[in-house]
Amino acid sequence: AQTVTQSQPEMSVQEAETVTLSCTYDTSESNYYLFWYKQPPSRQMILVIRQEAYKQQNATENRFSVNFQKAAKSFSLKISDSQLGDTAMYFCAFRGDKLIFGTGTRLQVFP
Amino acid sequence: GAVVSQHPSWVICKSGTSVKIECRSLDFQATTMFWYRQFPKQSLMLMATSNEGSKATYEQGVEKDKFLINHASLTLSTLTVTSAHPEDSSFYICSAKSSLRSSYNSPLHFGNGTRLTVT
Repeated sequence: AQTVTQSQPEMSVQEAETVTLSCTYDTSESNYYLFWYKQPPSRQMILVIRQEAYKQQNATENRFSVNFQKAAKSFSLKISDSQLGDTAMYFCAFRGDKLIFGTGTRLQVFP
Repeated sequence: GAVVSQHPSWVICKSGTSVKIECRSLDFQATTMFWYRQFPKQSLMLMATSNEGSKATYEQGVEKDKFLINHASLTLSTLTVTSAHPEDSSFYICSAKSSLRSSYNSPLHFGNGTRLTVT
């Protein structure tokens, strides 16, 4: 069975600074996708970024980028130039035949 | 973009009654839909995978007789919480995968969730 672990229950960062959220996973599958989702207080799930496991190049979406280390089964999210609107719960997720979420990291961006 | 509508957004029911939650894909067909439950300050836990025209696949520990899932069309899946109890109070979220995309690279589209309170 797949597992997804986020070891940081809470993180905080000052506006305009950079923060990295950690995620590790465990799987025996070779073909899968990894995602980071954002869940603001509205509880809507918002896709932030995704990474195909067969691609070595790290995905980037504007201020969001990942550090994907397949051998280490690590998938961290870096948020650059943090904004107040980035305050939310962030979930790392593994997608094989189904989407499994990590426990989440609550990110607070301070002015 | 792809839109998933979930209804109702919140519901309060009395203990012992049943509640139905609908999940609709508005502008795409969804062969597969997923139902999640989220307790306060916790992660989303997959309850079951709903496949159009066939029985749902439930995760370990989820009572199939209590959480009835029906996926009768390519755009609608329903979750019925039967004989609800206060411990069933939670946030329920559905997600849908477009039938047109392959399994692994197809993004999931989430509904806005349903907050269920059982009194």
